[in-house]
Amino acid sequence: AQSVTQLDSQVPVFEEAPVELRCNYSSSVSVYLFWYVQYPNQGLQLLLKYLSGSTLVESINGFEAEFNKSQTSFHLRKPSVHISDTAEYFCGRSGNTPLVFGKGTRLSVIA
Amino acid sequence: DTEVTQTPKHLVMGMTNKKSLKCEQHMGHRAMYWYKQKAKKPPELMFVYSYEKLSINESVPSRFSPECPNSSLLNLHLHALQPEDSALYLCASSQGRGSGNTIYFGEGSWLTVV
Repeated sequence: AQSVTQLDSQVPVFEEAPVELRCNYSSSVSVYLFWYVQYPNQGLQLLLKYLSGSTLVESINGFEAEFNKSQTSFHLRKPSVHISDTAEYFCGRSGNTPLVFGKGTRLSVIA
Repeated sequence: DTEVTQTPKHLVMGMTNKKSLKCEQHMGHRAMYWYKQKAKKPPELMFVYSYEKLSINESVPSRFSPECPNSSLLNLHLHALQPEDSALYLCASSQGRGSGNTIYFGEGSWLTVV
């Protein structure tokens, strides 16, 4: 079965520091990868996605993720985080089956 | 406009009640979804509708009954639920059911079963 592994359940980081949230996926012929963010008491919002083409994808709020086929990874990075980035982040994949998510990573930004 | 609206935002129901969750989208999407999310867990897929027909049922108990009256609406009928069914229920939609389509989520309906 297709799966997504988020290696860190919680990541605390100081404001303006860089952050990396790790995501690995099980390999298959076709894979589409997504990062969603969930703020407290809200639904999920799409941050960015990889379908094909350039392996580096960016979001409008400074996050980026790189598709690495050899390492089956799609890690999310931001060079400088803000308090407002505190949220739950879910990595997701689809391919031969509908979208499934990793267990999530709670990013806590400390002032 | 990428908006999926869900009502009600909060629902408390007894184990013998019958209630419904409603979802609406006006993006012209032809695939709609119900996900269930327990606290501190990822969303889990329950149902997928494609062109108003049920295409995936992830072995969900029959006390949950989905309905897609038209291409813009998706309902989830609830009957004889258990306290462990308390969760955030997320509706979502996408342009098509194909894997590369982006899925857009609503804000969710918080369900408490007492």
